[in-house]
Amino acid sequence: EAGVAQSPRYKIIEKRQSVAFWCNPISGHATLYWYQQILGQGPKLLIQFQNNGVVDDSQLPKDRFSAERLKGVDSTLKIQPAKLEDSAVYLCASSLDLGDPQHFGDGTRLSIL
Amino acid sequence: GEDVEQSLFLSVREGDSSVINCTYTDSSSTYLYWYKQEPGAGLQLLTYIFSNMDMKQDQRLTVLLNKKDKHLSLRIADTQTGDSAIYFCAESLRTGGFKTIFGAGTRLFVKA
Repeated sequence: EAGVAQSPRYKIIEKRQSVAFWCNPISGHATLYWYQQILGQGPKLLIQFQNNGVVDDSQLPKDRFSAERLKGVDSTLKIQPAKLEDSAVYLCASSLDLGDPQHFGDGTRLSIL
Repeated sequence: GEDVEQSLFLSVREGDSSVINCTYTDSSSTYLYWYKQEPGAGLQLLTYIFSNMDMKQDQRLTVLLNKKDKHLSLRIADTQTGDSAIYFCAESLRTGGFKTIFGAGTRLFVKA
């Protein structure tokens, strides 16, 4: 089966600019996750969707980050405006249902200048 | 509180066994996972264990779970240079949507 697809793989922007990431989960997976992975750390959950509804966004900095999964399949994560501390790898994962093992995409590496 | 801790580095010789250890604090975990991350890639699910199991074996991988001590280990038999990567331990908690907490990862170096 095809894995979780993410684009772009790399993005370089200046601080205060905006950026968007896209994720296509494994077909049939109801649950989709966005994680932020800072260099040398484990992934930190930003937001979790079940179909097109938000399950957990308690760690999402809502003043600058937003995410949507309008049709319950693809998802986009946006940062506006970006700060230097947003430099990280943004990982998307999906699972068949809540609580099931998660499968990750290769991530988008974001560098803020 | 919710916390998953791992040692940062492990170095082994090719052909030896590797044991990567992890401790967690929340006893309400449902699954415990081991993921592998190679440079520039996402996390690859290696194996997982239900919280009511003590052991799981999958080819060269053996997972041991000690619920009393909240300790999880991953043993890789006959370690190869291709096993060099970062290994993440994670626990899935049944709290408001099955939250998953990751450790900071253990970097495994395999010397030829």
